[in-house]
Amino acid sequence: NAGVTQTPKFQVLKTGQSMTLQCAQDMNHNSMYWYRQDPGMGLRLIYYSASEGTTDKGEVPNGYNVSRLNKREFSLRLESAAPSQTSVYFCASSRLAEYEQYFGPGTRLTVT
Amino acid sequence: KQEVTQIPAALSVPEGENLVLNCSFTDSAIYNLQWFRQDPGKGLTSLLLIQSSQREQTSGRLNASLDKSSGRSTLYIAASQPGDSATYLCAVKRDTNAGKSTFGDGTTLTVKP
Repeated sequence: NAGVTQTPKFQVLKTGQSMTLQCAQDMNHNSMYWYRQDPGMGLRLIYYSASEGTTDKGEVPNGYNVSRLNKREFSLRLESAAPSQTSVYFCASSRLAEYEQYFGPGTRLTVT
Repeated sequence: KQEVTQIPAALSVPEGENLVLNCSFTDSAIYNLQWFRQDPGKGLTSLLLIQSSQREQTSGRLNASLDKSSGRSTLYIAASQPGDSATYLCAVKRDTNAGKSTFGDGTTLTVKP
């Protein structure tokens, strides 16, 4: 059981470039989440998917799009990266929205 | 809007000491509260989950309590060890939308040998 996996681990982008962060879980969980973690701001929810086929905005969705590709995979896309999106991004999953969350190892993104 | 506060921001204790970490939240309408630990440069590891109807949960040397009416949770660590050094975060889920969690900023614990 790999749990929650994220790719890539590190990424450097120039302002205006686009990229997709990938997340997959092998625990047969229904709910998946994307967070960003910034010093002094804590962890903030970007988007979540309560179940396959549904997505909903979190606290800081501007500048991001998500796709729940299937039950296992939930991707986060930055269409036009900005320096303010420099952060560590975490994906998480849970059996259902109200259950315990399990986190991936994170992607450290720098936008110059 | 739910706000979650963890005080102190940092704590240093000698090995073997029992300690308590605090988590306060402003809106008592929560579904559950989860405690995590985070090691530097790593993801979050789940420690304990307390449902809103529960008063406490235990796992090994860890005991988490929840007082919903006063908006407080504590994480008790018994007989602390250097390996317990990490940042501890709490997160609450709203009962109107269980998908959304609010995290505290964490308490960074250092256990000195």
